[in-house]
Amino acid sequence: SQQGEEDPQALSIQEGENATMNCSYKTSINNLQWYRQNSGRGLVHLILIRSNEREKHSGRLRVTLDTSKKSSSLLITASRAADTASYFCATDAGSNYQLIWGAGTKLIIKP
Amino acid sequence: KAGVTQTPRYLIKTRGQQVTLSCSPISGHRSVSWYQQTPGQGLQFLFEYFSETQRNKGNFPGRFSGRQFSNSRSEMNVSTLELGDSALYLCASSLEQNTEAFFGQGTRLTVV
Repeated sequence: SQQGEEDPQALSIQEGENATMNCSYKTSINNLQWYRQNSGRGLVHLILIRSNEREKHSGRLRVTLDTSKKSSSLLITASRAADTASYFCATDAGSNYQLIWGAGTKLIIKP
Repeated sequence: KAGVTQTPRYLIKTRGQQVTLSCSPISGHRSVSWYQQTPGQGLQFLFEYFSETQRNKGNFPGRFSGRQFSNSRSEMNVSTLELGDSALYLCASSLEQNTEAFFGQGTRLTVV
């Protein structure tokens, strides 16, 4: 079953612009994680934000978490062509040893 | 530190055959999870192992099975393959729940 819903499903922007992706989920969580996947390959972990955190940064990435709205956003600043990928959020509810995944946002950076 | 290694990378099988996929986790990681990824269904959880014990299983038929060895390496097996089993199978390892998961490059299985 999928808990996360990413929005938008697809996003196309110019290089240098900022990209924002959103994730909503249904149940209480321990943490929420964002991953990137390049064209049919393995997923790369980007950021893990715990339920008691509201914002986290890593390089050009900024993640926010609003547990009252059960939502998270991933902001990529100053996008580059290499950021072209699918981005997934995954939630860890802590009770059943699995991550629950959203359907992903496909991001295309135009040169 | 070596990453998660999945073998083989690509596999073509015919309907009715069985297949075994292998995953070597990052050294020190005792949790290994398996996922099936298809364009229509996204990432679907198959099962999770920790110290050779299956702690959780997703909603897949009994044709899908797995195991974990004492060195944390894991295998998954699919018997009586169907066309719909064609997918990218991903393995992820982590230290424990509530920590980041590290993924292998996946095994792309095509059933013809």
